[in-house]
Amino acid sequence: NAGVMQNPRHLVRRRGQEARLRCSPMKGHSHVYWYRQLPEEGLKFMVYLQKENIIDESGMPKERFSAEFPKEGPSILRIQQVVRGDSAAYFCASSPPKNPRGNTIYFGEGSWLTVV
Amino acid sequence: DAKTTQPNSMESNEEEPVHLPCNHSTISGTDYIHWYRQLPSQGPEYVIHGLTSNVNNRMASLAIAEDRKSSTLILHRATLRDAAVYYCILNSGNTPLVFGKGTRLSVIA
Repeated sequence: NAGVMQNPRHLVRRRGQEARLRCSPMKGHSHVYWYRQLPEEGLKFMVYLQKENIIDESGMPKERFSAEFPKEGPSILRIQQVVRGDSAAYFCASSPPKNPRGNTIYFGEGSWLTVV
Repeated sequence: DAKTTQPNSMESNEEEPVHLPCNHSTISGTDYIHWYRQLPSQGPEYVIHGLTSNVNNRMASLAIAEDRKSSTLILHRATLRDAAVYYCILNSGNTPLVFGKGTRLSVIA
């Protein structure tokens, strides 16, 4: 059973370009979460999605960032017009449908975005 | 989610047990206690979670105080590969996990 798959693992973009990060959840998981970790800082929640729905985007910057989890295919985190401050590790996690035993989630290996 | 308090850092000698404490005095009755760890340049890894009773798995043990206001993650025999940041998180299952600063564990050979 494959874990959470993220790609690309490393991405370099010039300022003003777009970055697209993809996440395939674990088999049977219908919930996806995106977190960001700036250099030398902690993990910050960005967005929580279920298939075709955004459940909680309270941690997502209001501009330039968007996320989707279509009915078919991976979840996509899209960053438009990247700036140097977007350089960070972006982690995706997934979980099965609502888990009454506490929200245990499983992370991918991350996508490292560098903006030059 | 209720707040947790952990020491910023701890050290352990290799092959010795490690007890990582976590205080959560404002825990609610429906909050599970989760532990994750993050090795350098990797994604966070689930370690263990529990509600009221002590829990054991292949990675670690979780000891939960009777009043649930504190808990301890126990690594029975630390190895160099256990050097990581360990996060103690409370969650009732209704909201995404909120990560604090965690405890940076160093393991000395």
